[in-house]
Amino acid sequence: EVQLVESGGALVRPGRSLRLSCAGSGFTFENYAMHWVRQAPGKGLEWVSGISWNNGRIVYADSVKGRFTISRDNAKNTLYLQMDSLRPGDTALYYCAKPKTLVPGSLDLWGQGTLVTVSS
Amino acid sequence: IEVTQSPSSLAASVGDRVTITCRTSQNIKSYLNWYQQKPGTAPKFLIYGASSLQNGVPSRFSGSGSGTDFTLTISSLQPEDFATYYCQQSHVAPYTFGQGTKLNI
Repeated sequence: EVQLVESGGALVRPGRSLRLSCAGSGFTFENYAMHWVRQAPGKGLEWVSGISWNNGRIVYADSVKGRFTISRDNAKNTLYLQMDSLRPGDTALYYCAKPKTLVPGSLDLWGQGTLVTVSS
Repeated sequence: IEVTQSPSSLAASVGDRVTITCRTSQNIKSYLNWYQQKPGTAPKFLIYGASSLQNGVPSRFSGSGSGTDFTLTISSLQPEDFATYYCQQSHVAPYTFGQGTKLNI
């Protein structure tokens, strides 16, 4: 079965760090760029970050630039998001997503999401 | 690139034809995608390249537009179509989403 499974979400204090993981299966993970998208409670979707298949290109949304780091381990079919200096505004359900083949940025496969809550 | 959707919410009935509009702050050619999201679930990919239907998506869904103005049309609303719809530009990263349009009964 083709799927993405996120993990690592938790309740954390402001200023602390957290690392999210996303395990891909059922497709050739190393062939695809991968993305993180988040959704604050009751709000819309916000694209957070993307990484090319070989780590050669990484882009961040301005809202997380300098605080979040995206990475991947193709040998483990896993995508990561290291989140530092967390703020209450980072509270959201974090999804990882895969683009459609040959259509960059068009996200045809999503995980179920992992919840990050930043609160004192 | 800013992405603006309208309306933010829309009331309609089964069988209605509805149109949702998406406008971008720059020319994105046809790099525009549409997603459907129901409460408590991940977004579902509907349309890419402004007008290409993803496999398995019913033909009552269609997309059009290029440049800065785009539309999603549902030709005859079905009960399962009541959801929130998002557009997203994929021309230039960061790949911004619109604010969403909630389609209510």
